[in-house]
Amino acid sequence: GAVVSQHPSRVICKSGTSVKIECRSLDFQATTMFWYRQFPKQSLMLMATSNEGSKATYEQGVEKDKFLINHASLTLSTLTVTSAHPEDSSFYICSASEVGTGPNYGYTFGSGTRLTVV
Amino acid sequence: KQEVTQIPAALSVPEGENLVLNCSFTDSAIYNLQWFRQDPGKGLTSLLLIQSSQREQTSGRLNASLDKSSGRSTLYIAASQPGDSATYLCAVKQAGTALIFGKGTTLSVSS
Repeated sequence: GAVVSQHPSRVICKSGTSVKIECRSLDFQATTMFWYRQFPKQSLMLMATSNEGSKATYEQGVEKDKFLINHASLTLSTLTVTSAHPEDSSFYICSASEVGTGPNYGYTFGSGTRLTVV
Repeated sequence: KQEVTQIPAALSVPEGENLVLNCSFTDSAIYNLQWFRQDPGKGLTSLLLIQSSQREQTSGRLNASLDKSSGRSTLYIAASQPGDSATYLCAVKQAGTALIFGKGTTLSVSS
């Protein structure tokens, strides 16, 4: 089945530094990848939709200059948290759907990244 | 705007019990509904995907039903086991959107 690999699984960084999270589709090509953020005991909140070869679409309230998304190939999307602060500490998860599949197909999720900013 | 609600938020049952998790959504114009399992600190594992034209899907001890017109879905877990302990999330897919999630039901099965 479809597999999405997300790295790193856990990262601790100092306030003010930047962190890059990678999301790869291992055995399929994904035109679109999605980035979610999850707070403790809360639902997954969509941050942005990442489209291969074009600019990402950000949800209302998400700072595009803070959360930089790059989708340079059909198998890789990256999320960079720039100038991270403690309030950016959260669980970030990506998901992808396979090229050529319609809206009736399901999504595959990565294993998530726990970001802690100290 | 679509809203997805899951009840109960938490559930504790003894091993062997059959149980039902509930999911409701406000806008019935969906392509499909997907149930996921999430273990603490982990990503999401897809359990069942029900298309809007379907009424139910089964996988092993899991059975998911969908009543699109009333905006409801249930996940039935038969003969629960301690290994079933996790958070269960439902999500709906609509035209032009990513998945919209509920807050989940945290299940604890005691041995």
